[in-house]
Amino acid sequence: EMQLVESGGGTAQPGRSLRLSCSVSGFKFDDYFMYWVRQAPGKGLEWVSGVSWNGADPAYADSVKGRFTISRDNAKKSLYLQMNSLRPEDTALYYCAKQLPIEGLGLIDVWGQGTMVTVSA
Amino acid sequence: VLTQSPGALSFSPGESATLSCRASQTIVKNYLAWYQQMPGRTPKLLIYGASTRAAGIPDRFSGSGSGTDFTLTINRLEPEDFAVYYCQKYGSSPPHTFGQGTKLE
Repeated sequence: EMQLVESGGGTAQPGRSLRLSCSVSGFKFDDYFMYWVRQAPGKGLEWVSGVSWNGADPAYADSVKGRFTISRDNAKKSLYLQMNSLRPEDTALYYCAKQLPIEGLGLIDVWGQGTMVTVSA
Repeated sequence: VLTQSPGALSFSPGESATLSCRASQTIVKNYLAWYQQMPGRTPKLLIYGASTRAAGIPDRFSGSGSGTDFTLTINRLEPEDFAVYYCQKYGSSPPHTFGQGTKLE
């Protein structure tokens, strides 16, 4: 069974940093593009970032570009999201997500349960 | 930008519902997907390529459209279908934007 387990969420003050991790099992991690998607409380889904199978070509939503960095360690089967200069509007449940193995990047077939990030003074 | 309208729709079980998703620019290769999110659950992929059902999705769910206008139709609504539905643009050029969602109630 494919599993994605996020960790690292919590409460941070505006301007501070957090690092999210996603540990995966049940599939060959280094074969797939991976993503972070967030959902603010009571709001919709927002695509945040994505990275290719080898860590190249990271992509970001405009709302986080220059502040967040996505990375992966294929040996550890883990995906990361370094979040710097946090803002209150970054408050959300952050999902780790896996690419569906067909043509078309960004299509997601497996989601983690999410880790909650709260940015508040 | 993907615009889903309306924000909420009310139906009764057994009826059919049609949800709309409009893109501000033509979506290449009809790389448009639909996800369902039940309360307190993670999203589930329903449709990709505008009209291809994902594995295990019943044929009550169908997608159509091309270019900038896309539709998700759910026939014979069942109680578990009352959820929030999101469309998403995917493909080679990120960001892979989601629409703001339509709540089926």
